[in-house]
Amino acid sequence: GIQVEQSPPDLILQEGANSTLRCNFSDSVNNLQWFHQNPWGQLINLFYIPSGTKQNGRLSATTVATERYSLLYISSSQTTDSGVYFCAARRTGFQKLVFGTGTRLLVSP
Amino acid sequence: ETGVTQTPRHLVMGMTNKKSLKCEQHLGHNAMYWYKQSAKKPLELMFVYSLEERVENNSVPSRFSPECPNSSHLFLHLHTLQPEDSALYLCASSQGTGLSYEQYFGPGTRLTVT
Repeated sequence: GIQVEQSPPDLILQEGANSTLRCNFSDSVNNLQWFHQNPWGQLINLFYIPSGTKQNGRLSATTVATERYSLLYISSSQTTDSGVYFCAARRTGFQKLVFGTGTRLLVSP
Repeated sequence: ETGVTQTPRHLVMGMTNKKSLKCEQHLGHNAMYWYKQSAKKPLELMFVYSLEERVENNSVPSRFSPECPNSSHLFLHLHTLQPEDSALYLCASSQGTGLSYEQYFGPGTRLTVT
């Protein structure tokens, strides 16, 4: 199966700062999702982005499938952005969506 | 609110107890999943159901027994668990099991085995 690695593992930001989270995957993928897990454990879908670029408000994501990485950009961060950000990938022939170990983000006021 | 609900949200059980976790999706999806999230570990897929048929069992011990009576409901029956089974159990659903479908997650059940 594929390996999914995320960096950095931890990130502390001042409110208003921008950040980039990275997700590397070991093989070609046909499904890539970004999630935000809030402090209560709820996983919220951010992006379904197997390739290309998408934007949703202050968040945007880019996946370069040929180079096996995806980036999540958070601009003008807010305290409510705190939590753990996961990317998850899946490749053809496998049922399993493989999750990375996450980036834990803390945004301080 | 993702359209996937789970009950109970918290559960404490002894090793000799039998309990069940419930998941319900209101999205009209045909596939449902159980995941386990332990501290310091990535989410692990446990089971996949498609149209009420189990299509994947990811080497899960038999003390975890899933049941999918219809495409909207998924249960995880628990018996004689071990303390290392303490974790957050997440249910998810998707329109189908094909590659292009997003998975949507419930809020999870935080299980503590004493």
